[in-house]
Amino acid sequence: KNEVEQSPQNLTAQEGEFITINCSYSVGISALHWLQQHPGGGIVSLFMLSSGKKKHGRLIATINIQEKHSSLHITASHPRDSAVYICAVRWEGGSARQLTFGSGTQLTVLP
Amino acid sequence: EPEVTQTPSHQVTQMGQEVILRCVPISNHLYFYWYRQILGQKVEFLVSFYNNEISEKSEIFDDQFSVERPDGSNFTLKIRSTKLEDSAMYFCASSEGISTAEQYFGPGTRLTVT
Repeated sequence: KNEVEQSPQNLTAQEGEFITINCSYSVGISALHWLQQHPGGGIVSLFMLSSGKKKHGRLIATINIQEKHSSLHITASHPRDSAVYICAVRWEGGSARQLTFGSGTQLTVLP
Repeated sequence: EPEVTQTPSHQVTQMGQEVILRCVPISNHLYFYWYRQILGQKVEFLVSFYNNEISEKSEIFDDQFSVERPDGSNFTLKIRSTKLEDSAMYFCASSEGISTAEQYFGPGTRLTVT
């Protein structure tokens, strides 16, 4: 069964720290999403990437296709970054349009 | 910025009742999706919809579930006879097209079955 694994499961950081959240997957993908889920439950799409690196403000997402691994980095973390960060992939080939989700990383940034 | 909207934000229903969850996708999007997240678990795919028909569905999406695009804007998920285990957050998403795979999510509907 195709799997998406995230680490760590929980992460607590002090304000200002550099954060890294990891995602690995079992087989080839056509796209990888990083999503943010707020405490109220709503989901916001942060990035979609299929190669290389993307940056938006203090957020950076990288992907290594050969190693089947992606990272989400947050620079100068702030308490408002506290949320669950979810990696989701679209598997390569076939007609699959659905996303397969990781379990999420609960990030808490302390002031 | 265009966004996906969902109503209601919270629905409480009794076991065995029918519920309809509503979504308004982004207007120029062609693909529509429903996902669900049981409390404390991963988000799971339910169904995708394109050109007025289901294009894919998961094992979860059994005969109790149906989807419809009744007019040009709404996309609905119906659960015919709710069970306790249907209690979850239901997310609608939409995307422009299969080659532009980014999906935009709605805020979710929390369904509580009592």
